[in-house]
Amino acid sequence: DGGITQSPKYLFRKEGQNVTLSCEQNLNHDAMYWYRQDPGQGLRLIYYSQIVNDFQKGDIAEGYSVSREKKESFPLTVTSAQKNPTAFYLCASSAPLAVEQFFGPGTRLTVL
Amino acid sequence: GQNIDQPTEMTATEGAIVQINCTYQTSGFNGLFWYQQHAGEAPTFLSYNVLDGLEEKGRFSSFLSRSKGYSYLLLKELQMKDSASYLCAVDRSNDYKLSFGAGTTVTVRA
Repeated sequence: DGGITQSPKYLFRKEGQNVTLSCEQNLNHDAMYWYRQDPGQGLRLIYYSQIVNDFQKGDIAEGYSVSREKKESFPLTVTSAQKNPTAFYLCASSAPLAVEQFFGPGTRLTVL
Repeated sequence: GQNIDQPTEMTATEGAIVQINCTYQTSGFNGLFWYQQHAGEAPTFLSYNVLDGLEEKGRFSSFLSRSKGYSYLLLKELQMKDSASYLCAVDRSNDYKLSFGAGTTVTVRA
């Protein structure tokens, strides 16, 4: 089955620790995206990547970092510089020249 | 900045019709998406409107007016499983970035 996987579903970390969220897709999509979702707010774009070894900052990139070493994988690191990291994180991907984005199941990160 | 507005909550009865409005003011516009998101789950694609007018897909229809910066999602013959959040998103640039509204939570009552 083709799709996007994110792991883990729930993640707990202590304040001041970096944490990496996994996102893998086997849809052969070139573009991948990371969003953050907070209660009462829309999805906000953190980073996106249109091809391997290239990525761009989204609207709220501060305190986050990404890598795109493989087409299938786009991990997001939430660093200690992110002031309010507790949120629901969604990864998405899209096919070449296609606008529709397909979303993974999300990771709920709680920083204690 | 980008401004996408939709109501926070709506409640309707099973079998009824609900219309979710979305107004937008964005720096660019290619088209408008509607996604459905059940609590704690991934958003799933419902529709994408590029041209003005109504597009119907079974019980769900979506309308767009580019000149008015306005769209709506119409849900007919509501079922309990339609209780979810509905997200309006504008495709505003040529690099495939989307800007999302805050979402409308629809509750369907028996």
